[in-house]
Amino acid sequence: ETGVTQSPTHLIKTRGQQVTLRCSSQSGHNTVSWYQQALGQGPQFIFQYYREEENGRGNFPPRFSGLQFPNYSSELNVNALELDDSALYLCASSFLDGEAFFGQGTRLTVV
Amino acid sequence: DAKTTQPTSMDCAEGRAANLPCNHSTISGNEYVYWYRQIHSQGPQYIIHGLKNNETNEMASLIITEDRKSSTLILPHATLRDTAVYYCIDDSGAGSYQLTFGKGTKLSVIP
Repeated sequence: ETGVTQSPTHLIKTRGQQVTLRCSSQSGHNTVSWYQQALGQGPQFIFQYYREEENGRGNFPPRFSGLQFPNYSSELNVNALELDDSALYLCASSFLDGEAFFGQGTRLTVV
Repeated sequence: DAKTTQPTSMDCAEGRAANLPCNHSTISGNEYVYWYRQIHSQGPQYIIHGLKNNETNEMASLIITEDRKSSTLILPHATLRDTAVYYCIDDSGAGSYQLTFGKGTKLSVIP
């Protein structure tokens, strides 16, 4: 148990729809990072939030967006879903200079 | 793209030491070597990290060569619960933790 909670655990969406995934970080952690993991691949960095500001972004299009709230929880939003967005989405929390602790992930299926 | 290279898969007998190699051909002076593992259907789990010196904790030992171009993760007495995908990552770690995962090594511990 890492103390990082993600919801929902699974969901199915239709191509073109929008989705919001949620992450509650471990108590005290002020940094949240999001990763996408396609089947058979390692996790790919999407973006990171530190104290409610984006603190780095990977090679993902603008339809992937995020928020971090004052309590350091976070949301990942994906607009105009595509079939290739089907993946496990992982949230990791940390202090800015500490090890990342991952949640169990949200399995998104786009049909 | 991942900056490290690892074997795709390895087997290890239960109770024996598992030695997982990693090549860090482009590692820079300020980058740490991190190891994470991912047990099926779970988020990645931090194992250990180091800069130059060998490190040991309750989970594993990390051996880093003097030129820092390769490392070995050692699980001293592998159990069936150690079956997982193991990732080695180079990361500056300071204000970053925007981790670049490769495909990792699938370690199978055999009874």
